[in-house]
Amino acid sequence: DTEVTQTPKHLVMGMTNKKSLKCEQHMGHRAMYWYKQKAKKPPELMFVYSYEKLSINESVPSRFSPECPNSSLLNLHLHALQPEDSALYLCASSQEGSGSLAGNTIYFGEGSWLTVV
Amino acid sequence: DAKTTQPTSMDCAEGRAANLPCNHSTISGNEYVYWYRQIHSQGPQYIIHGLKNNETNEMASLIITEDRKSSTLILPHATLRDTAVYYCIVRAQKLVFGQGTRLTINP
Repeated sequence: DTEVTQTPKHLVMGMTNKKSLKCEQHMGHRAMYWYKQKAKKPPELMFVYSYEKLSINESVPSRFSPECPNSSLLNLHLHALQPEDSALYLCASSQEGSGSLAGNTIYFGEGSWLTVV
Repeated sequence: DAKTTQPTSMDCAEGRAANLPCNHSTISGNEYVYWYRQIHSQGPQYIIHGLKNNETNEMASLIITEDRKSSTLILPHATLRDTAVYYCIVRAQKLVFGQGTRLTINP
């Protein structure tokens, strides 16, 4: 089973709203990721969590706030977003979060489509 | 992480083998070659990866040249469902996507 589940599949929010995207995996993976994908562009890495600790933040604006409450769950809290933040948000996970990452396959969820109005 | 160069688009006839090239001339010894694909509006799907040796699984084969500066992904019998954007990624730590190859399988 290589399933990463993301909810909701679609979200529309106003610029003053606070919302969250959720991600769950039960593969025992200890690294989890958030990517952002704009239309007709490749996915871009936002955050990496390793053993529930934030290890990489790709200079993402503070209106995006990640949280890893346990090894199976990853949240992305959204607040005061702009219309240009509308995108597909992808969650992913892999076996390890430290040491040699390169040989550990990263598995992606189907994404959450976010529209900011 | 080393960068990759892929053709922007390719076409292949249904039932034929699709051969997708990738150049990664600056690859380092500890970097793996990964292939993912993304069908419209879906999350990226892992296909295959390798370090030095050729690899094969139920989806595809990966051929890596001896000097590791290029590789080819082979879909042995392409179907219409293989139409997607295919990403070749060279990875040490981060998985960084390039522009990929838009593969269209024609009936």
